[in-house]
Amino acid sequence: EAQVTQNPRYLITVTGKKLTVTCSQNMNHEYMSWYRQDPGLGLRQIYYSMNVEVTDKGDVPEGYKVSRKEKRNFPLILESPSPNQTSLYFCASSPGGLETQYFGPGTRLLVL
Amino acid sequence: AQSVTQLGSHVSVSEGALVLLRCNYSSSVPPYLFWYVQYPNQGLQLLLKYTSAATLVKGINGFEAEFKKSETSFHLTKPSAHMSDAAEYFCAVTRWGGNEKLTFGTGTRLTIIP
Repeated sequence: EAQVTQNPRYLITVTGKKLTVTCSQNMNHEYMSWYRQDPGLGLRQIYYSMNVEVTDKGDVPEGYKVSRKEKRNFPLILESPSPNQTSLYFCASSPGGLETQYFGPGTRLLVL
Repeated sequence: AQSVTQLGSHVSVSEGALVLLRCNYSSSVPPYLFWYVQYPNQGLQLLLKYTSAATLVKGINGFEAEFKKSETSFHLTKPSAHMSDAAEYFCAVTRWGGNEKLTFGTGTRLTIIP
């Protein structure tokens, strides 16, 4: 089944404790992206990647890192999480930047 | 720069009534426009998209949207609302020649009244 998977689905952590949210797709898509969803703000793009080893900032990249070492994986790293990073995070992939994006199920993060 | 404005964060319609969700875009070059739907506790899925072909676009579940360049709009409609349409709807824009960023609106939560 074609899908985008994210792990973990739920995470509670404390300020400053490094964490990684994994994202994997099995559709051989070149484009992958991370979004955060907050009430009243919709989805905002954090980082995106056009292909392996190619990443670029979205609208809200501060406090986040990404890497794209292989085509199928696009992990999101929070080196020192803060409470304002409490949010619902979505990973998405598509064949190209202008194509339909396929979304993962989301990761709900709470930073205390 | 590109942006999307969704008018009305909450819309309520009666079952069987017309659904109209509004989206206006801003883009310096011809845009690609999308409507996504998010059901409770789920990720987003594509309803329909406009990619400079036909201006009237038909999507899944009986939804359609019309691209109107003169009004910079891409409103979503459905002739007859069903209870299963209750969800949050997001309009999004991207464009050729840019950096392939997808910019979302703030969303409209649709409630269906029995």
